[in-house]
Amino acid sequence: AQTVTQSQPEMSVQEAETVTLSCTYDTSENNYYLFWYKQPPSRQMILVIRQEAYKQQNATENRFSVNFQKAAKSFSLKISDSQLGDTAMYFCAFRSGGSNYKLTFGKGTLLTVNP
Amino acid sequence: NAGVTQTPKFQVLKTGQSMTLQCAQDMNHNSMYWYRQDPGMGLRLIYYSASEGTTDKGEVPNGYNVSRLNKREFSLRLESAAPSQTSVYFCASSEWLGGETQYFGPGTRLLVL
Repeated sequence: AQTVTQSQPEMSVQEAETVTLSCTYDTSENNYYLFWYKQPPSRQMILVIRQEAYKQQNATENRFSVNFQKAAKSFSLKISDSQLGDTAMYFCAFRSGGSNYKLTFGKGTLLTVNP
Repeated sequence: NAGVTQTPKFQVLKTGQSMTLQCAQDMNHNSMYWYRQDPGMGLRLIYYSASEGTTDKGEVPNGYNVSRLNKREFSLRLESAAPSQTSVYFCASSEWLGGETQYFGPGTRLLVL
């Protein structure tokens, strides 16, 4: 069974600085998808960024980028120019490729951006 | 385009009461899901519906039932609520069961006394 581990329960960063959130996963599959979801105090789960395992290029979405290390089974999220609105719980999630629907979530990292 | 909507936003129940959580999506997605989120844990899948007319158990289905009313709507029912079902419930949808991305609703916070 796949597992997703987020080793940092809480992190903090100063506004405008850069922060990296860690995620590791365990799988024997070669084709899969990885996600970072953001959950602000409103509790809405918002997709931040998505990475396909077959793509070597790291995904980027504006200030958000990932460092995908397939051999190491590592999928970290880098937030550049942190903003107060980035304060949220961040969840890393894994989904097998093909027709497997199941999303496996990590336990989350609470990120606080300080002014 | 509202995405995924859920009602109610918050509900308090007494042990043994029943209620139905409603979910609707307007993205013409085929697949829909119900998750629960408990403190210190990631989301866990309760039930899912691959397409209209089908439903299947997820990771933690005990104590719940679901109905895929039509392509848009997927409801979650608690027949006899228990304190262990106190949680935040999220509905999600994706284009199809193997669709890459699941889109989530705003959540329903349920407290069972």
